[in-house]
Amino acid sequence: DIQMTQSPSSLSASVGDRVTITCRASQSISTYLNWYQQKSGKAPKVLIYAASSLHSGVPSRFSGSGSGTDFTLTISTLQPEDFATYYCQQSYSSITFGQGTRLEIQ
Amino acid sequence: EVQLLESGGGLVQPGGSLRLSCVASGFTYSSYSMSWVRQAPRRGLEWVSSISATDGSRYYADSVKGRFTISRDNSKNTLYLQMTGLRAEDTAVYYCAKGASSVWETSFGDWGRGTLVTVSS
Repeated sequence: DIQMTQSPSSLSASVGDRVTITCRASQSISTYLNWYQQKSGKAPKVLIYAASSLHSGVPSRFSGSGSGTDFTLTISTLQPEDFATYYCQQSYSSITFGQGTRLEIQ
Repeated sequence: EVQLLESGGGLVQPGGSLRLSCVASGFTYSSYSMSWVRQAPRRGLEWVSSISATDGSRYYADSVKGRFTISRDNSKNTLYLQMTGLRAEDTAVYYCAKGASSVWETSFGDWGRGTLVTVSS
């Protein structure tokens, strides 16, 4: 099974900051990597699919990059509504989620 | 607008059974793979099971294989998850999720609100 490891597990930042979250796969997954945002008590929402494609309606401050085993999600200028938990997910072989990164207000 | 509405959750004793349903609307249901993803209290997301749109092939996480059965009724736009042999570690919110395509290994563009399953005596 492919394991997905996110870092950091939690992160404190301020409105206006640039934030990067990393996701590493235990083996190459090409660009079969997706990113989700989940707010407390709500269902997840997809942000990025195929490593770098922005889902419809998602603000352009979100971006994704990477291929193979190493991927990043970047939020260019943090907004108050961005404080949430973020998950990566691989769909190369079966489906696996990372453990999540909790983004908190500093 | 895509809508996914789960139902069927509740409190069940260990070893018991439960059937979850997810009614879909706002898209051509038969053309998309569908999945169940769960989230235990204060934990992360865990993929549970998927069913493809092309041939109805079914896929399961090792943690539920042999105990859970996924199925779909394209005439009713409904996804099901039959759960048997339930364990305390199956306690979670169960989300219905629409795949981005007909194949099962894909991203999830739309999610339901979830239904809570609690396994306890």
